[in-house]
Amino acid sequence: SQELEQSPQSLIVQEGKNLTINCTSSKTLYGLYWYKQKYGEGLIFLMMLQKGGEEKSHEKITAKLDEKKQQSSLHITASQPSHAGIYLCGAAANAGGTSYGKLTFGQGTILTVHP
Amino acid sequence: GAVVSQHPSWVICKSGTSVKIECRSLDFQATTMFWYRQFPKQSLMLMATSNEGSKATYEQGVEKDKFLINHASLTLSTLTVTSAHPEDSSFYICSARASGGTFFGPGTRLTVL
Repeated sequence: SQELEQSPQSLIVQEGKNLTINCTSSKTLYGLYWYKQKYGEGLIFLMMLQKGGEEKSHEKITAKLDEKKQQSSLHITASQPSHAGIYLCGAAANAGGTSYGKLTFGQGTILTVHP
Repeated sequence: GAVVSQHPSWVICKSGTSVKIECRSLDFQATTMFWYRQFPKQSLMLMATSNEGSKATYEQGVEKDKFLINHASLTLSTLTVTSAHPEDSSFYICSARASGGTFFGPGTRLTVL
């Protein structure tokens, strides 16, 4: 089965600082998702990456997938307290049919942003 | 993005009772939905794949007789925790694949006393 390793497990930064969260897969990724979660709440979809070398940005968040499709990074520029939460990377199953949409998650990265 | 809802958002029940959790895709049809559970300070663990009109597919170690899944329509999947016990207390989240990504419901917090 596919395993995802996220690093760091937790991160504390001062408001305004940049930060990066990494997600490494034991196998080639078919698709990689990034989500944000507030504790006890649902997951907020951030971005989906499928192509090697792909990079997407939304507001101050940029996600990249490496050429080999085994590693992804999430970069936040000029962090704000509103960015605080748990960031999860999810790997899409490499199959169609009923597995389409099935995700395996990393253990998550807890981000704290101090004002 | 696509919207997935869950009901209830939280439930407290007595040990031995059954609890039903609903997952709905509000603005799209989903032939397949997924159920996850999440323990405090842990990541999401996939429990089962819910297939419209057919039996659910359960992950290894998940008791299918305890966690009954029914996907009766293209917009609704239900998870019933039968004879719930305190160790079933957890955060249950469903997801569905739509164009543009996989979207999650807001989750249901189950507490079994």
